[in-house]
Amino acid sequence: EPEVTQTPSHQVTQMGQEVILRCVPISNHLYFYWYRQILGQKVEFLVSFYNNEISEKSEIFDDQFSVERPDGSNFTLKIRSTKLEDSAMYFCASSGQGRAQYFGPGTRLLVL
Amino acid sequence: GENVEQHPSTLSVQEGDSAVIKCTYSDSASNYFPWYKQELGKRPQLIIDIRSNVGEKKDQRIAVTLNKTAKHFSLHITETQPEDSAVYFCAASGGPDAGGTSYGKLTFGQGTILTVHP
Repeated sequence: EPEVTQTPSHQVTQMGQEVILRCVPISNHLYFYWYRQILGQKVEFLVSFYNNEISEKSEIFDDQFSVERPDGSNFTLKIRSTKLEDSAMYFCASSGQGRAQYFGPGTRLLVL
Repeated sequence: GENVEQHPSTLSVQEGDSAVIKCTYSDSASNYFPWYKQELGKRPQLIIDIRSNVGEKKDQRIAVTLNKTAKHFSLHITETQPEDSAVYFCAASGGPDAGGTSYGKLTFGQGTILTVHP
């Protein structure tokens, strides 16, 4: 069964550094999402993406965040200048014509 | 925006008992309600979902009920097993926007830690 994949699984970075989190959505899916989960808390929506543009974004998704689909398979989340409070698990998800969103295994980001 | 409240925050049952987790939502436009199971350090895994045009859906030991009038929905797990132990999240989502560009973000509840004791 196809699954969403994400790399890296863990990322440690210094405050102020740029990070790029990568995702490969399920191949025939058209809708892509990023969520984050701070340790012990609920999953929070960041951004949705369709047809090469952002469909919706949350208040968390400020100017420091950007998303891109650089080719036919990858979907990336960039944080330009990381802050301590960006430390979280970041999940990519994708959905097809149905409503179901399937999540990747996550990237645990630690900002020091 | 949408707000989803989930109760209880922790639930402890004996193997073989039933478990019920309840969620309420605030936005009457929400029309899709998935449930996710998340084991420690793993991805949220979709276990069942329901759309607003039905009141109940069942898949083996798992069922979900929806009351649109009261804006609440519940997850029922029967004959619980130790491997059901995990964090369960409910979520709510609105429909595609007018341009069909999004199936809508998921707004999650706070999660329920379910522990099934052998």
